[in-house]
Amino acid sequence: SQQGEEDPQALSIQEGENATMNCSYKTSINNLQWYRQNSGRGLVHLILIRSNEREKHSGRLRVTLDTSKKSSSLLITASRAADTASYFCASHTGANSKLTFGKGITLSVRP
Amino acid sequence: DVKVTQSSRYLVKRTGEKVFLECVQDMDHENMFWYRQDPGLGLRLIYFSYDVKMKEKGDIPEGYSVSREKKERFSLILESASTNQTSMYLCASGWDLNYEQYFGPGTRLTVT
Repeated sequence: SQQGEEDPQALSIQEGENATMNCSYKTSINNLQWYRQNSGRGLVHLILIRSNEREKHSGRLRVTLDTSKKSSSLLITASRAADTASYFCASHTGANSKLTFGKGITLSVRP
Repeated sequence: DVKVTQSSRYLVKRTGEKVFLECVQDMDHENMFWYRQDPGLGLRLIYFSYDVKMKEKGDIPEGYSVSREKKERFSLILESASTNQTSMYLCASGWDLNYEQYFGPGTRLTVT
């Protein structure tokens, strides 16, 4: 079964707008990670948030984690056309467990 | 910068052929992974390795085997390729099983 489920499946915004993507998971996690994948390429790690953290920033990225709701959100501020990609959340459920990926969100940023 | 390389970007093989996909990382990572990615299914773990000569099955190991003779190299083997193994194959590596993974560019395999 899928541990991480992203929402929405696809998002289209104008350059300069903010993009918010959500991820829900089913079981308790050790940490949650977000990755980006440009078309036809490998994944690039963006940010990791631990289960005892609530918010984390990295440049234009802001990630929140709500363990009571088993959900996380990724906010990209002031989006650029270069942010067009697929975004995946991935979660670790415990020591030495596998990283489980969601199915991804396709973000399109229109110039 | 961490670099993970995969032997081919595109590969076309015939049904029944033995296929080798090679992955090399240059950061002395203990852990290496093979995933396949299919539309609507996301990434699914095939096998991973936490040390030289050590391997663990992932979620979908059937029809695949792996080899890790050296720390930097992790090979995925399709013993007898089938059309349902047509997919994008992604290799990754990492220092710790719990933390970030670094991905290669992927190999798009077509089995005809």
